[in-house]
Amino acid sequence: DAKTTQPPSMDCAEGRAANLPCNHSTISGNEYVYWYRQIHSQGPQYIIHGLKNNETNEMASLIITEDRKSSTLILPHATLRDTAVYYCIVRVLNSGNTPLVFGKGTRLSVIA
Amino acid sequence: GAVVSQHPSWVICKSGTSVKIECRSLDFQATTMFWYRQFPKQSLMLMATSNEGSKATYEQGVEKDKFLINHASLTLSTLTVTSAHPEDSSFYICSARDALAGGTGELFFGEGSRLTVL
Repeated sequence: DAKTTQPPSMDCAEGRAANLPCNHSTISGNEYVYWYRQIHSQGPQYIIHGLKNNETNEMASLIITEDRKSSTLILPHATLRDTAVYYCIVRVLNSGNTPLVFGKGTRLSVIA
Repeated sequence: GAVVSQHPSWVICKSGTSVKIECRSLDFQATTMFWYRQFPKQSLMLMATSNEGSKATYEQGVEKDKFLINHASLTLSTLTVTSAHPEDSSFYICSARDALAGGTGELFFGEGSRLTVL
């Protein structure tokens, strides 16, 4: 079972920041927060991951609350190509033999 | 980044025939690959874990005799849907992790293979 809770859908205006929340209140101390997205009819794409510190890369920023029970993925300037389903997943680092368990994710629609 | 390739990207077959889907890690070795199935407007569901040189591990409710998995090398896993029926029509996705990489434990996904059974 997925250990995260996300809103089923969100809209965002093109060029604005998209803030996608995720609750993971039962996260364990050795579990990281991973974000993937799936554009229609494609395989999932890795976005970012973090443990407790905020993280940023060329795609997005990840803000994790101090108690680690929730996080927010931020797409700073959303474009139409960012329309996708975004999945928040908690997982132990380097658990290569452990699959990703996907919840229902958040369907983000970026609107022109 | 690491690339996982699936082939074919889409296939249409008649009911009762078998279809093979290939999953290749193009620039890394993968001792373990995972196969998922995704029905329209639903999330990815794990079907099985493919282990190089040994038998696959299937999730509850997935018939191992219907979905044959072979992981004969460190860069290739195949999923064969035997005696396909229309209800097997779905989007099949594989994923893999670089067995020699440390760090993130990031799993890479193939582009997916859409199967339509008539």
